[in-house]
Amino acid sequence: DAGVIQSPRHEVTEMGQEVTLRCKPISGHNSLFWYRQTMMRGLELLIYFNNNVPIDDSGMPEDRFSAKMPNASFSTLKIQPSEPRDSAVYFCASSPGTGSYGYTFGSGTRLTVV
Amino acid sequence: SQQGEEDPQALSIQEGENATMNCSYKTSINNLQWYRQNSGRGLVHLILIRSNEREKHSGRLRVTLDTSKKSSSLLITASRAADTASYFCATGLSGTYKYIFGTGTRLKVLA
Repeated sequence: DAGVIQSPRHEVTEMGQEVTLRCKPISGHNSLFWYRQTMMRGLELLIYFNNNVPIDDSGMPEDRFSAKMPNASFSTLKIQPSEPRDSAVYFCASSPGTGSYGYTFGSGTRLTVV
Repeated sequence: SQQGEEDPQALSIQEGENATMNCSYKTSINNLQWYRQNSGRGLVHLILIRSNEREKHSGRLRVTLDTSKKSSSLLITASRAADTASYFCATGLSGTYKYIFGTGTRLKVLA
């Protein structure tokens, strides 16, 4: 298994542009999470999907952020319009379910908004 | 504020020594996990301990959990240079699916 695959690894964009981050979870995992990591705030949970359905998006910072999971093997996190304060590393993680399961994290997307 | 706070924030030891990191949290939990993050990489799951467990071992790792004190510790025995990384605790909040990550301990093992 290739693990959780995220793309791109690095993204540099100008303020105001739309950014789309992509994630392919591990096959058979029915829970998917998007996290954001910054030095100031650490790891923050943005949104959680279970069986492709968004369960909790209370961590999404504002309406500029949106996430979708059209099928069990693909999820996107979109920022439109992007702002410099969105610069961070965005991680996708999946697990076999909720509860007593460890998460498998992707390698992350390092986003820089200039 | 963070649910989990790791202590110390940074730790530097010699290869072969043991490294101990602590995690304190605030609310009731279902379980607690420890993760490792190498610089520029994703987090790697190390071990999970349930709220009804007090101690768990995995290779050179030993995790303890004291729910009365709302704290956990991660012990890495006979450390190696390859153990250099940041270590995070993640608390699974009771009644939810959520895991909240702590602030992390940066461990440096000197060869």
